[in-house]
Amino acid sequence: DIQMTQSPSSLSASVGDKVTITCRPSQTINNYLSWYQQRPGTAPKLLIYSASNLQSGVPLRFSGSGSGTVFTLTISSLQPEDFATYYCQQSYSTPVTFGQGTTLDIK
Amino acid sequence: QVQLVESGGGMVQPGMSLRLSCEASGFSFSSNGMHWVRQAPGKGLEWVALISYNGDNKYYADSVKGRFTISRDNSKNTLFLQMNSLRGEDTAVYYCAKDKGANAIITNDYWGQGTLVTVSS
Repeated sequence: DIQMTQSPSSLSASVGDKVTITCRPSQTINNYLSWYQQRPGTAPKLLIYSASNLQSGVPLRFSGSGSGTVFTLTISSLQPEDFATYYCQQSYSTPVTFGQGTTLDIK
Repeated sequence: QVQLVESGGGMVQPGMSLRLSCEASGFSFSSNGMHWVRQAPGKGLEWVALISYNGDNKYYADSVKGRFTISRDNSKNTLFLQMNSLRGEDTAVYYCAKDKGANAIITNDYWGQGTLVTVSS
């Protein structure tokens, strides 16, 4: 199975900050990498797929990059609604696996 | 707009069975792979199972293989998860999720609101 390691596990930041979350798969996954946002009590929401493609309707302050074994999610200027938990996911092979999550909270 | 509505969750005793349903609307259901993903209380996301657009290909997490069965009825736009021999560690919110792809896994672009399954004596 491909293990997905996210860092950091938690992050405190302020509105307007730029933040970056990293995801490292245990083996190469080409660009089969997605990022999801989950607010408490709600279902996950797709932000980025195929490493760098912005899902329709997602604000442009979200971006994804990387390939192979290192991927990043960047939020260019944090907004109040961005404080949530973020997960990466590989879809290169089954079983599909997720990172452990990064909780982003207000400093 | 795309809608996925899960149902069938509840509280059951260990060893019992439960069948979850996910009713889809707003897209051509028979054109996309479908997944079940679960989330134990306070924990992260765990992928459970995948079925291809036509039901020919099915894949499972090792933790549920042999106990859970994913299926679909394209005539009724409905996805199912038959869960047998339930254990305490199966307690979770179960989400159905649509894949962007048909046979190949791309990403989960839409998710249902989830249904809670609690396994306890």
